[in-house]
Amino acid sequence: DAGVIQSPRHEVTEMGQEVTLRCKPISGHDYLFWYRQTMMRGLELLIYFNNNVPIDDSGMPEDRFSAKMPNASFSTLKIQPSEPRDSAVYFCASRGTGRTGELFFGEGSRLTVL
Amino acid sequence: DAKTTQPTSMDCAEGRAANLPCNHSTISGNEYVYWYRQIHSQGPQYIIHGLKNNETNEMASLIITEDRKSSTLILPHATLRDTAVYYCIVRVARAGNMLTFGGGTRLMVKP
Repeated sequence: DAGVIQSPRHEVTEMGQEVTLRCKPISGHDYLFWYRQTMMRGLELLIYFNNNVPIDDSGMPEDRFSAKMPNASFSTLKIQPSEPRDSAVYFCASRGTGRTGELFFGEGSRLTVL
Repeated sequence: DAKTTQPTSMDCAEGRAANLPCNHSTISGNEYVYWYRQIHSQGPQYIIHGLKNNETNEMASLIITEDRKSSTLILPHATLRDTAVYYCIVRVARAGNMLTFGGGTRLMVKP
C-alpha cells in the first residue's frame, strides 16, 4: 500500500488567496483526520471524518477553513482567504475501525502564506 | 484524557539502548498508553501501545509500571535514524476518542 498521500507537498501563496490541500487515505480505512503543526502550538487536530461524514470539527480555527470528504478515497482542506498565520504543516492521517490508536500519517503539506 | 509529562530532550549513543520515560500519574483504568515518533519533516509514526502488560514489537518495547503511573519506551539498539521527537499519549481506546499530541521528547542519537 502506498500509504496516506498528500498534495501538494509544498505550497507558497499570497495572503488572500484560496488554498486547497488534498489527501488520499489508505484504502479500507474509514477514519480520516486533518492535523496542523506549528512551532508554537505543536500538532493540533482540526477535524475528523468517519465514513466520509465529518464527526468533530471543533478544532477548525475559523470559518475560513473548510474540509470535505466526497468519497472514501479523497478529502480536501480548504482555506479561503488565506492569512500568514495559517502558515504551517498540514497532516492528513487515516485509520481503520478497531485499531483505534494507530493512525497512519501522510508526509504533510507545508503551507507558507506571504 | 490523562495528561502526560515527558523530558524535553535526551541524548543517546548510537548502538546503546534509548530509554524514554513518560509520567501519566492521573491515568484511568481504561486508558491506554500510546507512543508515536516524528522524524524531521515527516508525519508522526505509530510505534507501540499498551494497557497494563509490557509490550514488544519490531520497533521497541514498552514497560508500564505496576501502578500504571509511568511508562518507558525502550529502543534496544538506537541508530542515527532513531533521532526524532517521541510522543507519549494516553487515551481511552474508543472509536470516537482522538489522539492529542503534547510536546514530546526530542531524542538525539549521537555517533
